[in-house]
Amino acid sequence: DTAVSQTPKYLVTQMGNDKSIKCEQNLGHDTMYWYKQDSKKFLKIMFSYNNKELIINETVPNRFSPKSPDKAHLNLHINSLELGDSAVYFCASSQQGDQPQHFGDGTRLSIL
Amino acid sequence: DQQVKQNSPSLSVQEGRISILNCDYTNSMFDYFLWYKKYPAEGPTFLISISSIKDKNEDGRFTVFLNKSAKHLSLHIVPSQPGDSAVYFCACHKNDYKLSFGAGTTVTVRA
Repeated sequence: DTAVSQTPKYLVTQMGNDKSIKCEQNLGHDTMYWYKQDSKKFLKIMFSYNNKELIINETVPNRFSPKSPDKAHLNLHINSLELGDSAVYFCASSQQGDQPQHFGDGTRLSIL
Repeated sequence: DQQVKQNSPSLSVQEGRISILNCDYTNSMFDYFLWYKKYPAEGPTFLISISSIKDKNEDGRFTVFLNKSAKHLSLHIVPSQPGDSAVYFCACHKNDYKLSFGAGTTVTVRA
């Protein structure tokens, strides 16, 4: 009965490949987010969707494309992976923008 | 440019004593402040929050204090318990709901 679940938990791949990370929430929340935690441990917002509509799009390379098929899912597709993409990516959701966000356990992406 | 700073990367406290975690922010437009707790290999878990119209919010052993004029907030945990050993993140947002996080403070509670 995990609230926010991400798959896979670990992802090891070669530079130049394309990969996707999936996120699902069963909390009935309207808003979902993607964060990146870099090597300095800062969590930085990347994207946010509200009811399948993109509402936050930070300065992120075009190689990153979020997709929300429905309000319970927000997937992250990354093209042409680079070494600097190595990080932990967290998905989160909230009922409304001003409610506390609930996080998944993260996907650790390692680029070889 | 980091708008939320947690200047103490780590804190060690004896079980039963008080833990005090500090957080400073630079953006005067922030109006909502949160603390998250994170265990290794897990996502951050919401702990407690405070809006800019208050200066204190309490929930059990956890109390958050906000000093808007100093752009400073703190989290007090009393009494500290071994299960409180984790990384604590301070986070802030404006009415755009984009959370800005600090780098975290690792708390170790000694038996």
